[in-house]
Amino acid sequence: TQLLEQSPQFLSIQEGENLTVYCNSSSVFSSLQWYRQEPGEGPVLLVTVVTGGEVKKLKRLTFQFGDARKDSSLHITAAQPGDTGLYLCAGSLDGGAGSYQLTFGKGTKLSVIP
Amino acid sequence: ETGVTQTPRHLVMGMTNKKSLKCEQHLGHNAMYWYKQSAKKPLELMFVYSLEERVENNSVPSRFSPECPNSSHLFLHLHTLQPEDSALYLCASSQGVTGLGTDTQYFGPGTRLTVL
Repeated sequence: TQLLEQSPQFLSIQEGENLTVYCNSSSVFSSLQWYRQEPGEGPVLLVTVVTGGEVKKLKRLTFQFGDARKDSSLHITAAQPGDTGLYLCAGSLDGGAGSYQLTFGKGTKLSVIP
Repeated sequence: ETGVTQTPRHLVMGMTNKKSLKCEQHLGHNAMYWYKQSAKKPLELMFVYSLEERVENNSVPSRFSPECPNSSHLFLHLHTLQPEDSALYLCASSQGVTGLGTDTQYFGPGTRLTVL
């Protein structure tokens, strides 16, 4: 059983469209992170959310952490080809000292067609 | 460029070979990590070092042997691997000594390993 379920698995859209990807779990996370990974590269952190209900914006990207801290969403407005990549969510089950373990989802592979 | 470099970027090896993957971080961080990324599976944490001491080992087979000679370098020694070990191996580093879950991890570009 996957601890963090991401959906959809694949998404192909036209430039200029809006999209939302989801990260869901039955577990409560003390924090959740979103990464983007481009082909041939490692994941790059986009945002960390720590408070239930928190909304963070990064230019055209809007991240939301669910009130119960079990789920998160990433919304992209007016997608551009540069947004193409694998979007990964990763959660920390215990934010206390000594907690190195991040649990990753399988990712959503996004293709934005010019 | 995240400040974490990995060599080689690609590696093909037979099941009887011995090879090593190298990771170097130029960020002055205290913690370093090895992850395995396979197709259709989530990123799996393999090893964590904090201040050059191993702090987590997630039931990784002994054919994978990590080494952290100093806080800037991390190695993964490979011996008698199986074809199912073929994957992208990612190194990461983070500032924290205590390893808070919110600590930002900076990833290297990975080594694409193929075991024949």
